[in-house]
Amino acid sequence: DAGVIQSPRHEVTEMGQEVTLRCKPISGHDYLFWYRQTMMRGLELLIYFNNNVPIDDSGMPEDRFSAKMPNASFSTLKIQPSEPRDSAVYFCASSSQRQGTGNYGYTFGSGTRLTVV
Amino acid sequence: QKEVEQNSGPLSVPEGAIASLNCTYSDRGSQSFFWYRQYSGKSPELIMFIYSNGDKEDGRFTAQLNKASQYVSLLIRDSQPSDSATYLCAVKRTEYSSASKIIFGSGTRLSIRP
Repeated sequence: DAGVIQSPRHEVTEMGQEVTLRCKPISGHDYLFWYRQTMMRGLELLIYFNNNVPIDDSGMPEDRFSAKMPNASFSTLKIQPSEPRDSAVYFCASSSQRQGTGNYGYTFGSGTRLTVV
Repeated sequence: QKEVEQNSGPLSVPEGAIASLNCTYSDRGSQSFFWYRQYSGKSPELIMFIYSNGDKEDGRFTAQLNKASQYVSLLIRDSQPSDSATYLCAVKRTEYSSASKIIFGSGTRLSIRP
């Protein structure tokens, strides 16, 4: 299994530009989560999906952030327009309640380090 | 009050000793508890999960849960330099489903000195 795959690994963009982060969850996982990590705020849940449907987006900071999951194998997180305070590491994670092992923790991708200048 | 609280550290432990990491949580409805390890510049990696009161052992790691005190801990025996990392405590409300979100603590930085 290739694990959760995120792209790009690093993104540097200018303030005001649109940024799109991508995620491919583990095949068969029915939950997908987007987290943001900063030194000040730690790991924050932004939004999560179940079977491609957004369940809880209460962590999305503001309307500049949007997320989609058009199918079971792909999700995007978009920031438009981007601001310097959006600089962080963005993680995607996936999980399944059908794993059968009793382990319902998440598997994280490698993350995208976003820098907005 | 934060939902999940951890001492940020750094916690410095000599090689071969026992490292003890602690975590408290505020929501009594929490049912599932996790410990993640995160090396600098890497993603969090699940190392332990526990659902029932008491101890759960896996190799050098032991997770301890006390729901009455809303307290979770992680013990690392025979600490190795490779254990130096940030350890994140995480809690979730629903035991048998991923339907509820996992809330993370801010992490404890552990340093094992040779």
